[in-house]
Amino acid sequence: NAGVTQTPKFQVLKTGQSMTLQCAQDMNHNSMYWYRQDPGMGLRLIYYSASEGTTDKGEVPNGYNVSRLNKREFSLRLESAAPSQTSVYFCASSDVTDTQYFGPGTRLTVL
Amino acid sequence: AQSVTQLDSQVPVFEEAPVELRCNYSSSVSVYLFWYVQYPNQGLQLLLKYLSGSTLVKGINGFEAEFNKSQTSFHLRKPSVHISDTAEYFCAVSDPGNYGQNFVFGPGTRLSVLP
Repeated sequence: NAGVTQTPKFQVLKTGQSMTLQCAQDMNHNSMYWYRQDPGMGLRLIYYSASEGTTDKGEVPNGYNVSRLNKREFSLRLESAAPSQTSVYFCASSDVTDTQYFGPGTRLTVL
Repeated sequence: AQSVTQLDSQVPVFEEAPVELRCNYSSSVSVYLFWYVQYPNQGLQLLLKYLSGSTLVKGINGFEAEFNKSQTSFHLRKPSVHISDTAEYFCAVSDPGNYGQNFVFGPGTRLSVLP
């Protein structure tokens, strides 16, 4: 039981490049989330998915797209990376009591 | 919408001393409450949660929290801290029955345990 897994762990991009952050959970959870964490800013919700086939914007969705590929997987795409998107990205899933379980994070640097 | 306040952004405390990290939330309706811990360069880990029942909740690593509905608070306590408790602590609240759509984190409290 791996819980929530994220790939890659680290990534460096140049401005304008695109990439997809992958997230998968093996706990059969319906809801999944993408957050970013910046120093002094706490956790900010980018997108969430309450169930397979649905996605909704969070607090900071601009510059990102998501895909809920199936119940297990929820990916985050940066179409044209900007230095302001340098951050640590966390994926999470939640059970029926709303308890969220987090992945280890992806540390992204955009030059 | 819910909001969460963690009044102390940083709390320094000496090893083996007690600590209380404060958390207040905005709504007095039915809520789920959570404390998470984040060690340096790691993801968030659940410390404890309140869903219903006893207002005193015990978690991992000797932490406990008390739900106080009248004061809309969920303060985290530990009677004797260790160096290894140095981390960032996040309080969070959710509205039951909304499939996690109203899950809100507080800004975090950085606990530094000094030798």
